[in-house]
Amino acid sequence: KQEVTQIPAALSVPEGENLVLNCSFTDSAIYNLQWFRQDPGKGLTSLLLIQSSQREQTSGRLNASLDKSSGRSTLYIAASQPGDSATYLCAAGDAGNNRKLIWGLGTSLAVNP
Amino acid sequence: DAGVIQSPRHEVTEMGQEVTLRCKPISGHDYLFWYRQTMMRGLELLIYFNNNVPIDDSGMPEDRFSAKMPNASFSTLKIQPSEPRDSAVYFCASSLARGNTEAFFGQGTRLTVV
Repeated sequence: KQEVTQIPAALSVPEGENLVLNCSFTDSAIYNLQWFRQDPGKGLTSLLLIQSSQREQTSGRLNASLDKSSGRSTLYIAASQPGDSATYLCAAGDAGNNRKLIWGLGTSLAVNP
Repeated sequence: DAGVIQSPRHEVTEMGQEVTLRCKPISGHDYLFWYRQTMMRGLELLIYFNNNVPIDDSGMPEDRFSAKMPNASFSTLKIQPSEPRDSAVYFCASSLARGNTEAFFGQGTRLTVV
């Protein structure tokens, strides 16, 4: 059974710092790996989607990498800003049922001005 | 498009009452998902539909929960009777079948059962 873990559960950094959020999964047979952002009291916003055949995706200051063999994905945020403060969730797409996402519990990020 | 629309945003009800949550997916999307989010368990997929047909309801916790999608633009999640342990945020999401298949989420319904 696929399990997704995110470490750390919470992170506090000063503005301007580059940071890495980690996501690990137990079964390397995934369809894709997605990163989402959730603001308090709001829904989830998709940030990056990496297909199983890809190694990374980039969008602006965000870069997500995928290493299926080691069961890991990282989300790199460059030059962090207070507006980046949110909870970041990763979700692994089930290879047997690509519409089914298995979710981590998230990393709560606070970027301090 | 206004995105995925859920109603109500907040619901407080007494134990034993029936609760109905509503969702309007993005027009043209083929898939609709219902999720539940709690602090302890995170996000859990309850059920999803493809072209209005339920495909996988293995995440529905028990018979008290039911979901319908009578047409492409509307879905409901019903809890009858509700219990305090059902308190959570319920999200609806929709996606396309092909091309950009990422899921778009609604703002959620925060349900409190007292």
